[in-house]
Amino acid sequence: AQSVAQPEDQVNVAEGNPLTVKCTYSVSGNPYLFWYVQYPNRGLQFLLKYITGDNLVKGSYGFEAEFNKSQTSFHLKKPSALVSDSALYFCAVRGYNFNKFYFGSGTKLNVKP
Amino acid sequence: GAGVSQSPSNKVTEKGKDVELRCDPISGHTALYWYRQSLGQGLEFLIYFQGNSAPDKSGLPSDRFSAERTGGSVSTLTIQRTQQEDSAVYLCASSLGTGPWDGYTFGSGTRLTVV
Repeated sequence: AQSVAQPEDQVNVAEGNPLTVKCTYSVSGNPYLFWYVQYPNRGLQFLLKYITGDNLVKGSYGFEAEFNKSQTSFHLKKPSALVSDSALYFCAVRGYNFNKFYFGSGTKLNVKP
Repeated sequence: GAGVSQSPSNKVTEKGKDVELRCDPISGHTALYWYRQSLGQGLEFLIYFQGNSAPDKSGLPSDRFSAERTGGSVSTLTIQRTQQEDSAVYLCASSLGTGPWDGYTFGSGTRLTVV
């Protein structure tokens, strides 16, 4: 079965500090991993994806994510958080033969000034 | 259009009434998805359309829910005899293809409140 786990409902970080939003997954075969961000009253916006190649993927707004096959993880990171990064973040996965994404439950990121 | 358009953006309905939610995907996107986002929950897959193929309805929670996609473009999600537990944000997304590397473009959603 395919699934995604985001173990933290909420992450609090001070502006300027590094942030990490955790994601682990379960999928048959090679995973295709995505991060999306949702601002209030908006749809989800694409941040970055891992398809193949380098384990460290860089995306929009200075975010990056590291794919770790042995730990089946795809944690989202940013070296220096901004207040404007405060939003709801979703990790999503699908395998090669699957026509839809499975999403995690979301992690609310709060960046305080 | 430039993005995925959903209407209405908000809908308040009385319990037992039927509602229709509309999604207009990006022109040329062959795949269209409906998801439901409940308060404190992740995104729950509802239904998926790809071209002229039979839709994947495996996520529809009950037979009160149905969806169609006309002409390979606009889609309508219909909920009959609405219940309070149907209250949620209904998100539509489209995708250019169905390769696992193809991401979704989401609409802003329809917030449904059943009173």
